[in-house]
Amino acid sequence: GAGVSQTPSNKVTEKGKYVELRCDPISGHTALYWYRQSLGQGPEFLIYFQGTGAADDSGLPNDRFFAVRPEGSVSTLKIQRTERGDSAVYLCASSSSSADTQYFGPGTRLTVL
Amino acid sequence: DAKTTQPPSMDCAEGRAANLPCNHSTISGNEYVYWYRQIHSQGPQYIIHGLKNNETNEMASLIITEDRKSSTLILPHATLRDTAVYYCIVRVIGSKIIFGSGTRLSIRP
Repeated sequence: GAGVSQTPSNKVTEKGKYVELRCDPISGHTALYWYRQSLGQGPEFLIYFQGTGAADDSGLPNDRFFAVRPEGSVSTLKIQRTERGDSAVYLCASSSSSADTQYFGPGTRLTVL
Repeated sequence: DAKTTQPPSMDCAEGRAANLPCNHSTISGNEYVYWYRQIHSQGPQYIIHGLKNNETNEMASLIITEDRKSSTLILPHATLRDTAVYYCIVRVIGSKIIFGSGTRLSIRP
């Protein structure tokens, strides 16, 4: 079946701009996770949704970062006033419940110039 | 911080078994050992997980020591497509994943 998809695959923006990154989880998966991966490092947790609500947002680095999942499926990660340090690959994962294995999408590569 | 220690890099000849070690000496009783891998420019891929018994699936085998302080991921017949960064993770079921730096596995022809 279809896996986790993320759009766009690449996003180039200028410092100070606003960006939205989209994640389509595996159909029926109730849990959704966002991670960020900088070059040469392992992924770093940002936020976790169970259904429509954010169950754990402890990894969001500051208030410029926000994520929503209004209908419990698709999620959007929003970054305001982007900075060059936000450049990274943003990964999304989903699982059938919070207790199950997480399956990752291909990621969105964000470059802030 | 990640709760696991892995060698930064390893290599293995194609067709041979690749044995990737992981130390997790502070693992708690309710924490599982998970392995993921990440092929260049792709998202992490789930491989296998276990609590205390050895596990095997179509991709790999996981051997966990009796004291659960270390484990080994075994790829029985490595191919060039197994070249990737392999992450060993310990986590309570249902919790977020905390990745370390992983082991960069190179398969030589």
